Amino acid sequence: AQKITQTQPGMFVQEKEAVTLDCTYDTSDPSYGLFWYKQPSSGEMIFLIYQGSYDQQNATEGRYSLNFQKARKSANLVISASQLGDSAMYFCAMCLQGGSEKLVFGKGTKLTVNP
Amino acid sequence: DTAVSQTPKYLVTQMGNDKSIKCEQNLGHDTMYWYKQDSKKFLKIMFSYNNKELIINETVPNRFSPKSPDKAHLNLHINSLELGDSAVYFCASSQDNSFWENTGELFFGEGSRLTVL
Repeated sequence: AQKITQTQPGMFVQEKEAVTLDCTYDTSDPSYGLFWYKQPSSGEMIFLIYQGSYDQQNATEGRYSLNFQKARKSANLVISASQLGDSAMYFCAMCLQGGSEKLVFGKGTKLTVNP
Repeated sequence: DTAVSQTPKYLVTQMGNDKSIKCEQNLGHDTMYWYKQDSKKFLKIMFSYNNKELIINETVPNRFSPKSPDKAHLNLHINSLELGDSAVYFCASSQDNSFWENTGELFFGEGSRLTVL
């Protein structure tokens, strides 16, 4: 069964600094997708970034980049130049190709950006 | 226009009651989901429908019954509510095979916070 682990329940970062949110996954399937979602205090889920298991390059979306290390089964999210508005819960998720189309989520990391 | 809309946004009810949460998406997606987020923020899939057909049922009690009258709607009906049902319920949608052909985005509704007293 697929599994997603986020070991950091909470993280703090100073405004304008970079921060890395950890995510490791476990699957024996060679084809999968990895996702990061942001959930601000208002509660909505916001898609941030996607990485396919066969993608050669790490995904980037603006200030977000995904540090994908396949051998280590890790998919850490890097947020550069943190902003106060980045304070939120961040969820890592995985989906298997060809299986049921569902995302399995990690337990989340609460990021607080300090001024 | 909201892409995935859920109603109601807040629901407070007594144990033992029956309640429904409605979800509609105007994205033309084929697949819709219900996720439950518990008090510890853990998100877990409950159901998935593709073109009105149930494709995922993740060991959810029989008291939870999803209904998809058409592919744009996926409603969640809960019978005999229990205290442990208190949570935020998220509806979501995706294009069929979107995880692999597009960016893989799952579009979420704003969530429905259910409180059972």
